[in-house]
Amino acid sequence: KAGVTQTPRYLIKTRGQQVTLSCSPISGHRSVSWYQQTPGQGLQFLFEYFSETQRNKGNFPGRFSGRQFSNSRSEMNVSTLELGDSALYLCASSLGTSGNVYNEQFFGPGTRLTVL
Amino acid sequence: GDSVTQMEGPVTLSEEAFLTINCTYTATGYPSLFWYVQYPGEGLQLLLKATKADDKGSNKGFEATYRKETTSFHLEKGSVQVSDSAVYFCALFMIKAAGNKLTFGGGTRVLVKP
Repeated sequence: KAGVTQTPRYLIKTRGQQVTLSCSPISGHRSVSWYQQTPGQGLQFLFEYFSETQRNKGNFPGRFSGRQFSNSRSEMNVSTLELGDSALYLCASSLGTSGNVYNEQFFGPGTRLTVL
Repeated sequence: GDSVTQMEGPVTLSEEAFLTINCTYTATGYPSLFWYVQYPGEGLQLLLKATKADDKGSNKGFEATYRKETTSFHLEKGSVQVSDSAVYFCALFMIKAAGNKLTFGGGTRVLVKP
C-alpha cells in the first residue's frame, strides 16, 4: 500500500506570495492532518480534515487555510507569506473514523518551505 | 491546555550505550502516549505507544512505560546502534468530542557514534 505523499518536496517563495501544498493520503484514509515543524516551535498542529470538513483547528492565523476533496486528498494554503512561515509542513493521514479512539496517523515526508 | 515536555538534545552516545529520553506530560484526563521517530529527510514514524496507565510500549528494542503517578513516558533502549540516530518526539492524544490531534514535545536529537 502506498504511503502518504506530499508535493512539492521543496519550495522557495518570497515574502508576500502565497503557496499551496498538496497531500495524498493512504488509500482508504479519510482524515488528513497538517502540522508545522520549525526548530523554534517544534511540531504544531494546524488543522484536520475529515470527509471534506474541517474537524479540528490549531492556533494559527487565518492566512493558513486548507481543504479536502472528495477523494480525501488535501491542500493547505498560506497567503501573504512571512519569513517565519519557513518550515517543514507535514501531512498525516488516518482512518479517522471516530474521535473516541486514536486512529494511528501515518506521516508523509513533508514539504520544506523556505520564505526569502 | 495539554502539553508534553521532553529533554532537550542533542544526546550524543557511543554505540551499545544505554539511551534514556525523559518525557513528561500535562493533560486534563488520561491521554494515550506515543513516541515517534524522525530519520533525516523523512516524516515521522510511530515507534511505540501506550493507551493506559502501566502499559508498556515496545518496538525495535525501545521501551516506554506509561506512569500515571509521575505523568511520565520515558523512552529507553539498552544498546543503541548508529542507525538509531534520529530525532525522537514524545506525543499525547486526548479523546475529544471530535478530532484526531496529536500534541508533541519539542523533540530530542540523538546522535550515536561508532
